[in-house]
Amino acid sequence: EVQLVESGGGLVQPGGSLRLSCAASGFTFSSYWMAWVRQAPGKGLEWVANIKQDGSEKYYVDSVKGRFTISRDNAKNSLYLQMNSLRAEDTAVYYCARDGVPAVTVFDYWGQGTLVPVSS
Amino acid sequence: EIVMTQSPATLSVSPGETATLSCRASQSVNSNLAWYQQKLGQAPRLLIYSASTRATGIPARFSGSGSGTEFTLTISSLQPEDFAVYYCQQYNPWPPSITFGQGTRLEIK
Repeated sequence: EVQLVESGGGLVQPGGSLRLSCAASGFTFSSYWMAWVRQAPGKGLEWVANIKQDGSEKYYVDSVKGRFTISRDNAKNSLYLQMNSLRAEDTAVYYCARDGVPAVTVFDYWGQGTLVPVSS
Repeated sequence: EIVMTQSPATLSVSPGETATLSCRASQSVNSNLAWYQQKLGQAPRLLIYSASTRATGIPARFSGSGSGTEFTLTISSLQPEDFAVYYCQQYNPWPPSITFGQGTRLEIK
């Protein structure tokens, strides 16, 4: 059974940093692109970043470029999101998602999400 | 940036009837379009990709159509568990971009 379990969320002050983790199991993690998608309270979905199987390609939404870094450790079946210079508008539930359908970029498995409130 | 616009924002339909949800792209995305269902407090669930291909385990009452800039998700014979929020998502291969629509809330009439 495919499982994605996020951790690392919590209250952080504006300008602060946080590192999210996603533990993957039930599939060959190193064979898939992975992504972070966020959802502000009561709002819609926003793709944040994605990363190729070997980490050689990474892409970000413009609003987080230069502040967030996506990475992965295939030996540990883990995905990460380092978030720096956090702003109030980064407040959201952050989901880890698998890009699991060949030749298209869609997310077939999602974690339960971890909440990141950014507030003083 | 490709902007995805969904309509209507809220759709009220009776169980057993058919719901038709729309999604429009600000520029052509060919058939690079997916649909997701999200229930309150849950993660999204992939329904449709490549505009019309059902994801694994998705019932046949869910169907997608369209290409270019205009897309439709049709849910026939609505079941109680189908009332949720639905999002469309485009995935442009190059330059890589992924954007979601703002969602359509499907509610019981």
